[in-house]
Amino acid sequence: DTEVTQTPKHLVMGMTNKKSLKCEQHMGHRAMYWYKQKAKKPPELMFVYSYEKLSINESVPSRFSPECPNSSLLNLHLHALQPEDSALYLCASRDRGGSETQYFGPGTRLLVL
Amino acid sequence: AQKITQTQPGMFVQEKEAVTLDCTYDTSDPSYGLFWYKQPSSGEMIFLIYQGSYDQQNATEGRYSLNFQKARKSANLVISASQLGDSAMYFCAMRRGGSQGNLIFGKGTKLSVKP
Repeated sequence: DTEVTQTPKHLVMGMTNKKSLKCEQHMGHRAMYWYKQKAKKPPELMFVYSYEKLSINESVPSRFSPECPNSSLLNLHLHALQPEDSALYLCASRDRGGSETQYFGPGTRLLVL
Repeated sequence: AQKITQTQPGMFVQEKEAVTLDCTYDTSDPSYGLFWYKQPSSGEMIFLIYQGSYDQQNATEGRYSLNFQKARKSANLVISASQLGDSAMYFCAMRRGGSQGNLIFGKGTKLSVKP
């Protein structure tokens, strides 16, 4: 089983709202990622969690706040977003095997009005 | 500098024919991994195939095979017997050794399969 789940699938929010994206995996992977993807572009890395600790923050604005409550769960808290933050947000987890393959969830399509 | 290049923004292929999607990479690391992902319009990134830099044989997974030419730094994806469901964006990606598994993506190739 290589399933990563993400909720919600779609999210519309105003610039003053607070919302959260959720990502879950039960494959025993110890590294999890958040990516942002704009239309017709490759994914851009935002955050990496390794063993539940934030190991990489790719200079992401503070209006995005990641959280890793346990090894299976990853959240992305959103506050005071801008319209340019509208994008597909992808979560991934990394296999500990030799290939270190990243498995992605279905994504959350976010629209900021 | 680490880089992945996909030179074909769009490709068309007739159903049931084979198609090759090009990918070249640039790295000075001796240890790296190469991946192909498929992204349909629904958005999910689907892992297709992996090739390690020390693997002697080309990787194969069902209808997908990776034509790995290390000296030329190319890792082309070959899809045999194309199906309508293969229409999607395809991304080539590279993982550097010791980089926490972080991936560098190419710009992608949009494949359209014609009936």
